[in-house]
Amino acid sequence: AQKVTQAQTEISVVEKEDVTLDCVYETRDTTYYLFWYKQPPSGELVFLIRRNSFDEQNEISGRYSWNFQKSTSSFNFTITASQVVDSAVYFCALSAGNAGGTSYGKLTFGQGTILTVHP
Amino acid sequence: DAEITQSPRHKITETGRQVTLACHQTWNHNNMFWYRQDLGHGLRLIHYSYGVQDTNKGEVSDGYSVSRSNTEDLPLTLESAASSQTSVYFCASSGWSRTDTQYFGPGTRLTVL
Repeated sequence: AQKVTQAQTEISVVEKEDVTLDCVYETRDTTYYLFWYKQPPSGELVFLIRRNSFDEQNEISGRYSWNFQKSTSSFNFTITASQVVDSAVYFCALSAGNAGGTSYGKLTFGQGTILTVHP
Repeated sequence: DAEITQSPRHKITETGRQVTLACHQTWNHNNMFWYRQDLGHGLRLIHYSYGVQDTNKGEVSDGYSVSRSNTEDLPLTLESAASSQTSVYFCASSGWSRTDTQYFGPGTRLTVL
């Protein structure tokens, strides 16, 4: 079975601070996919990023960056110079990629981290 | 623009009633999914479909059913609503591969009294 752990239930920062959201995963599949989704106060789930298990390059998109380390089974998300609009619940998710496995193609979500950015 | 919609957005019903939540996508995606979101549990998979006439049970399927008669729609039916099914329900869809990225609808908040 696969598992995603987001140990930080809630994080509170002041605007312009950098913040890192942790994500640790467990899977027996040799191929897998990792995702981050954002859920703002309005409630919808917004896709942010997808990484493949065979691509450990870090990714940067504006103020957002992601650090994928297979050695520690982690896929952490950093927001640089946080803004009030970043306040949301952030979910890390894992999809198994080995065809034929029981978890193939199914998303397993972490519990989510509530990020509050104060002005 | 292609999109995924859910209706109704809010629903209040009584215990024992049958309820159907609609999900419609215009991306021509092959795969569709239903999740429920509850405090302390994150999102959990209820049912999913990898194509027309294909349906599969997820992690928390008891009390729910789905049918897939066309590409665009995957309605979720609660056969006899229970208070434990009070939740926010999200529909998602993804392309042709089972590992394609899933895109989510806006959600339906269901209250069972």
